[in-house]
Amino acid sequence: DIQMTQSPSSLSASVGDRVTITCQASQDISNYLNWYQQKPGKAPKLLIYDASNLETGVPSRFSGRGSGTDFTFTISSLQPEDIATYYCQQYNNLPLTFGGGTKVEI
Amino acid sequence: EVQLVESGGGLIQPGGSLRLSCAASGFTVSSNYMSWVRQAPGKGLEWVSIIYTGGNTYHADSVKGRFTLSRDNSKNTLYLQMNSLRAEDTAVYYCARDLPGCWGCFDYWGQGTLVTVSS
Repeated sequence: DIQMTQSPSSLSASVGDRVTITCQASQDISNYLNWYQQKPGKAPKLLIYDASNLETGVPSRFSGRGSGTDFTFTISSLQPEDIATYYCQQYNNLPLTFGGGTKVEI
Repeated sequence: EVQLVESGGGLIQPGGSLRLSCAASGFTVSSNYMSWVRQAPGKGLEWVSIIYTGGNTYHADSVKGRFTLSRDNSKNTLYLQMNSLRAEDTAVYYCARDLPGCWGCFDYWGQGTLVTVSS
């Protein structure tokens, strides 16, 4: 199974700050990497697919990059509504696996 | 509008069985890959099972041999039959649709249904 290691597990930032989360795969997954946002009590929401493609309707302050084993997710200017837990997920092969999550607080 | 509505969760004793349903609207279940993803209380996300458009199914090792995934095309509904339930199966179970053209990318999720396995 492919292990996805996310860091940090939590962070605190101010409104307007640039926030970066990293995700490392245990083996090469090309660009088969998604990022999700999950707010408390809600289902996850797809933000980024194929490592860098912004899902329809997602604000442009969210971005992703990377390939192979190392990926980053960035919020260019943190907004109050971005408070959530963010997960990376690989879909290079089964079983699909998620990172442990990064809780973003203000 | 695409919508997924799960049902069937509840409290069940260890060793028991439960069937979860995921009723879809706004698209055709049989034309999309569909998955179940679960989340134990206070924990992260865990993929459980997937059904392909051709009907093949695959499961995580943690549920293989105990869970079965199926669909009823006439009802546009996905089912997860869960047998031999264990305490570690306690979680919110979400059904999710794959983004067309991007298998493994979940663009729509249900609201989730809570399964509690406890005596």
